[in-house]
Amino acid sequence: DQQVKQNSPSLSVQEGRISILNCDYTNSMFDYFLWYKKYPAEGPTFLISISSIKDKNEDGRFTVFLNKSAKHLSLHIVPSQPGDSAVYFCAASAIIQGAQKLVFGQGTRLTINP
Amino acid sequence: EPEVTQTPSHQVTQMGQEVILRCVPISNHLYFYWYRQILGQKVEFLVSFYNNEISEKSEIFDDQFSVERPDGSNFTLKIRSTKLEDSAMYFCASTGFNQPQHFGDGTRLSIL
Repeated sequence: DQQVKQNSPSLSVQEGRISILNCDYTNSMFDYFLWYKKYPAEGPTFLISISSIKDKNEDGRFTVFLNKSAKHLSLHIVPSQPGDSAVYFCAASAIIQGAQKLVFGQGTRLTINP
Repeated sequence: EPEVTQTPSHQVTQMGQEVILRCVPISNHLYFYWYRQILGQKVEFLVSFYNNEISEKSEIFDDQFSVERPDGSNFTLKIRSTKLEDSAMYFCASTGFNQPQHFGDGTRLSIL
């Protein structure tokens, strides 16, 4: 099941620079996309989401971009901070009667270097 | 900030035994979910639960699995006869209507 793919298993970025994490999906029925951050021994923590009717959503240092024609989304973190070092998961869903079934990517391990 | 809590954090069980994983969702949430993550693999959807019934389940969620909301606050996942391949992290999540899911910190299930 490769409906959601994160092709970069890891990414290393200098503190203060921009981090860009990418995600591709294949199922055109997906209409809601989320990014989660995960530290070891903790559950995924919600970061930011975007509905398919938008192409950009911004929350502080985090911006998610959605390109529906390319079935691609990305998460931009600027400026990157050491506390951003974690595994980032892209997830997608089609909301049916309010309930979501999230389909996750494999995750990208982001390391922010001081 | 309210959070989803899961117990125990680690469960070790003999193969063939029954195990119950417990979750307390965020109190005003309506939709409840279980996911699992086998070591080194993706987080996978198991089941969603709304209005006291299963709304969707995956192929993984076979007859050995069941979910229950016994008392209006707890949400449990039962595996009747565990297999070695059930070893994984199990995450509970909850959400309100059209809101992002919030996850607990998971239960690590180890089958011996």
